[in-house]
Amino acid sequence: SQTIHQWPATLVQPVGSPLSLECTVEGTSNPNLYWYRQAAGRGLQLLFYSVGIGQISSEVPQNLSASRPQDRQFILSSKKLLLSDSGFYLCAWNRALRDRVYEQFFGPGTRLTVL
Amino acid sequence: ELKVEQNPLFLSMQEGKNYTIYCNYSTTSDRLYWYRQDPGKSLESLFVLLSNGAVKQEGRLMASLDTKARLSTLHITAAVHDLSATYFCAAVLNAGGTSYGKLTFGQGTILTVHP
Repeated sequence: SQTIHQWPATLVQPVGSPLSLECTVEGTSNPNLYWYRQAAGRGLQLLFYSVGIGQISSEVPQNLSASRPQDRQFILSSKKLLLSDSGFYLCAWNRALRDRVYEQFFGPGTRLTVL
Repeated sequence: ELKVEQNPLFLSMQEGKNYTIYCNYSTTSDRLYWYRQDPGKSLESLFVLLSNGAVKQEGRLMASLDTKARLSTLHITAAVHDLSATYFCAAVLNAGGTSYGKLTFGQGTILTVHP
């Protein structure tokens, strides 16, 4: 069965510090991977998605970047955190139901607080 | 641009009552997803609706999709306290296979079920 992991689970960082959040998926190969951010417990905003190793698409301009160094690894980074980067970061992957139709599953998330 | 709107945003129900959450989306989408989120937790997939007229049921929850009206509903029957959570709908832009499974989420409906 497929499993998605994220770490760390929680993180408190000072403004201006770097960030690295990691997501790994087990039990599947070449999945589409996504990073979302949820602010204030409400709607989710898609930040990045990746359809393969080294292929990253950004959905919104921001202080963050993403990388996919391995097939089942997706990393979210920042060189200098801002207060507005605080939120709940969720990694997700797509399981194919049929041709070009997917069900999207989410990891446990990382809660980031920037002080 | 695909926009997804839910209403109501807050729903306070008594146990045993029925109610419906509505999800409208702005442009053509042939896939509609419902998720549940418990406080401080990640998203759990509830339903995937793939065609006009699709209806799915799980326990006290039933979801339906009307692609012509661009409307999905989540109906709650005889609510119980365990259903208290935030419910999100999400749609995928119908982009001829180039949407890459990217989800656009509604704002979420916070459901509280009282004894």
